[in-house]
Parts: sequence; C-alpha cells; structure tokens
Amino acid sequence: DVKVTQSSRYLVKRTGEKVFLECVQDMDHENMFWYRQDPGLGLRLIYFSYDVKMKEKGDIPEGYSVSREKKERFSLILESASTNQTSMYLCASSFQGAKGYEQYFGPGTRLTVT
Amino acid sequence: DAKTTQPPSMDCAEGRAANLPCNHSTISGNEYVYWYRQIHSQGPQYIIHGLKNNETNEMASLIITEDRKSSTLILPHATLRDTAVYYCIVRVGPYNNNDMRFGAGTRLTVKP
Repeated sequence: DVKVTQSSRYLVKRTGEKVFLECVQDMDHENMFWYRQDPGLGLRLIYFSYDVKMKEKGDIPEGYSVSREKKERFSLILESASTNQTSMYLCASSFQGAKGYEQYFGPGTRLTVT
Repeated sequence: DAKTTQPPSMDCAEGRAANLPCNHSTISGNEYVYWYRQIHSQGPQYIIHGLKNNETNEMASLIITEDRKSSTLILPHATLRDTAVYYCIVRVGPYNNNDMRFGAGTRLTVKP
C-alpha cells in the first residue's frame, strides 16, 4: 500500500516561530504536493515539486517555502508563522505522466498558531 | 483549467444510488474529469476519472454527457461510509506535473 506520512497530526506554534512540516512517501513518486484546507474554501495548493530540488508555486505560496532534497521527502516551511496560517495542511504524492491520475494523501497536520 | 460547479450539499438514503452532478461547461478537448472524495478527518481519496466515455470501477461510475459540459458521479448503493465531501476536478492530463485544484466540493450525507 502507498503510504504518505506527515510528521505530526497536531501542532501548536507561536506567532513568529519558524515551522517545519515534513512529508515522506514510500512509493518512489516523482511528484509531491502541499495543500492547506480551510472551512468553506476546500483544498488550496501551496507548492508542488516534480523532482528533487525542483519546486513550483501553487495558488497561495505567500508566507511559505518548500524543500525537496530527497525524492521521498517534501518539507513545507513557515518562515515566521502567523495566526492566519492556522489551518489543516495536507501532503500528497503521485507518479508523473499517464500513471499520475491518482494523488495519494497523508493524514494531515492541524497547525494552530497562537 | 475549466471551472467546475457542484451543489454544496446533498442527501441520499442508505442503499439507494447517489448521483452527484458536476457542471464544467468551459471544459476543453484535452481536459479530463477527475473525482475525489474526503471522508472526515482523512486526506482526499481518488475515485475515478474520464475523458469522454463513461467509466466504471469498483467504487463508482462516471457518466459524462456527450457535449462534455457536465458529468455525474454515481455511487450505486450508497452506505453510511460514503458520507464525505466529493470533489469534481477538471484538468489537462494526466501528464507530468499532475497538480490538481480542488474546489469546495459537495458534502454528501448518507442517511439510514
């Protein structure tokens, strides 16, 4: 079974802290994605990566950065956390090309910034 | 990517077919229709996708109109475990990057 794991299910941080959210997949997927989910807004794409050290901005990249040093790991970084970044963060991965119609999601990290 | 319109919520009786509509009137010729669902407290799960022909798998059927401007996801015998938010996504592909844009979806409640 494909497994996408995220470092924490729940996280509480203070305003101004640097926050790292880690995501690991074990299916040798080329693509990895970070989304945030807020009530009434659905999932919104923050960043994605289609190869090691490559990244592409999604729809709401402001206030976030990412890192992909290894194929299986994709990190989301909040350089200086703010209260409006309180949200559920979901990581996903997929193959490229014709096999890539299915994204596999992790369980999510609920981040609260106080 | 073409925009999709889904009703915000629907109810269905357990054991009956659940028919979830999606309007994508601006879809272009190389765009596929994808369906995902998200059960409470879990990440989204892929259900099915199609280009123009109707598709069926073990989870659901996808009916795409001939003009491709709308589609319907059918869960033939809904169970309580099918209660979830269902997302209809229109996207070129599958291709290299495969990034998806999820909207607000339809909240389906299956009632006993």
